[in-house]
Amino acid sequence: TQLLEQSPQFLSIQEGENLTVYCNSSSVFSSLQWYRQEPGEGPVLLVTVVTGGEVKKLKRLTFQFGDARKDSSLHITAAQPGDTGLYLCAGADDSNYQLIWGAGTKLIIKP
Amino acid sequence: GAGVSQSPRYKVAKRGQDVALRCDPISGHVSLFWYQQALGQGPEFLTYFQNEAQLDKSGLPSDRFFAERPEGSVSTLKIQRTQQEDSAVYLCASSLGTVKLFFGSGTQLSVL
Repeated sequence: TQLLEQSPQFLSIQEGENLTVYCNSSSVFSSLQWYRQEPGEGPVLLVTVVTGGEVKKLKRLTFQFGDARKDSSLHITAAQPGDTGLYLCAGADDSNYQLIWGAGTKLIIKP
Repeated sequence: GAGVSQSPRYKVAKRGQDVALRCDPISGHVSLFWYQQALGQGPEFLTYFQNEAQLDKSGLPSDRFFAERPEGSVSTLKIQRTQQEDSAVYLCASSLGTVKLFFGSGTQLSVL
């Protein structure tokens, strides 16, 4: 059974601080996605990483896919209150349509 | 439409009632997914349609759950004889292919 473990489960920090959240698995994924979900809304896709070792930047957010394509990290620089939300990672397996989801990291940025 | 639309946004049902949840995907999107999301958890796969064909229903928790997409557009998730453990947010997502998903806002189902 493929599992994605996200850590930490919960993180509350002050505006302006940096943070990193992790998504780990013992399984290899063909690609991995990061989503942000706000209360009462569906997840919104932030990025897809495909190649082992790939790094993608989205403004203050930096996403990295592990060399072995089993893990990923999301680093946020100078966090802002608007970054508050549930960050979910999801891995695509060989079937190419079934996404394996982590339980998410709930992030709160305090002004 | 501009995005995936789900209705109703909230549904309260008495235990044993049947409910129907609707999903209007983005026009032209071939793939449609239903997910169940418990509070504080990631989405759990329920079922997948490619056009009108239901290609995978392995995630449906019991035979009380039924989904259809008869014309390859709008989809309905029906839950018969609802139980308290069915309480969750039900998310619909559509995609041109299968990987880049666009989610609706979900239907929050509470079974009393």
